[in-house]
Amino acid sequence: AQSVTQLGSHVSVSEGALVLLRCNYSSSVPPYLFWYVQYPNQGLQLLLKYTSAATLVKGINGFEAEFKKSETSFHLTKPSAHMSDAAEYFCAVSHSNYQLIWGAGTKLIIKP
Amino acid sequence: GAGVSQSPSNKVTEKGKDVELRCDPISGHTALYWYRQSLGQGLEFLIYFQGNSAPDKSGLPSDRFSAERTGGSVSTLTIQRTQQEDSAVYLCASSQGLGSNEQFFGPGTRLTVL
Repeated sequence: AQSVTQLGSHVSVSEGALVLLRCNYSSSVPPYLFWYVQYPNQGLQLLLKYTSAATLVKGINGFEAEFKKSETSFHLTKPSAHMSDAAEYFCAVSHSNYQLIWGAGTKLIIKP
Repeated sequence: GAGVSQSPSNKVTEKGKDVELRCDPISGHTALYWYRQSLGQGLEFLIYFQGNSAPDKSGLPSDRFSAERTGGSVSTLTIQRTQQEDSAVYLCASSQGLGSNEQFFGPGTRLTVL
């Protein structure tokens, strides 16, 4: 069965510092991978997705993620955190014929 | 363009009452999903509709929960005899299909059972 693990329910970084949110998946076949963001009191929106093209995927708001098959990882990064990045981030995996499997989410806290 | 809409945005009800939550997906999207998000938790899959196929109900937590999708568009999630543990945000999403297709989310309905 597929599963998604997000390491750290809360991650705190200083404004201007590197953001790194970790996501590992278990899958027997190459998956599709997604990062979604949920701002306070809002629905989820797609940040970026990997669909077997380039392994380095660029998303909105300066975020990017790299698919590493050997590590079964799809970590989300941003070089310089902004206060507006404070939100909850969800990693998800799917295959061609089924729905998304979601991680538990990571709350990103930005310190001024 | 219109996104996914949900109503009501907030619902407070008494234990034992029935509630109906509505979702209007993006026009033309064949897939519709219901999720539950409890405080501090991730997304819990509830049910999934794809076109005219039988829905995948494997995530419904009990037989008090049901959902239907009329005419391949609007969906209603019904919770009968609500319990306090049903309190959560109920999210609806739609997509053009499976796999690599992005799910578009509504703003959710916050349900509070007193």
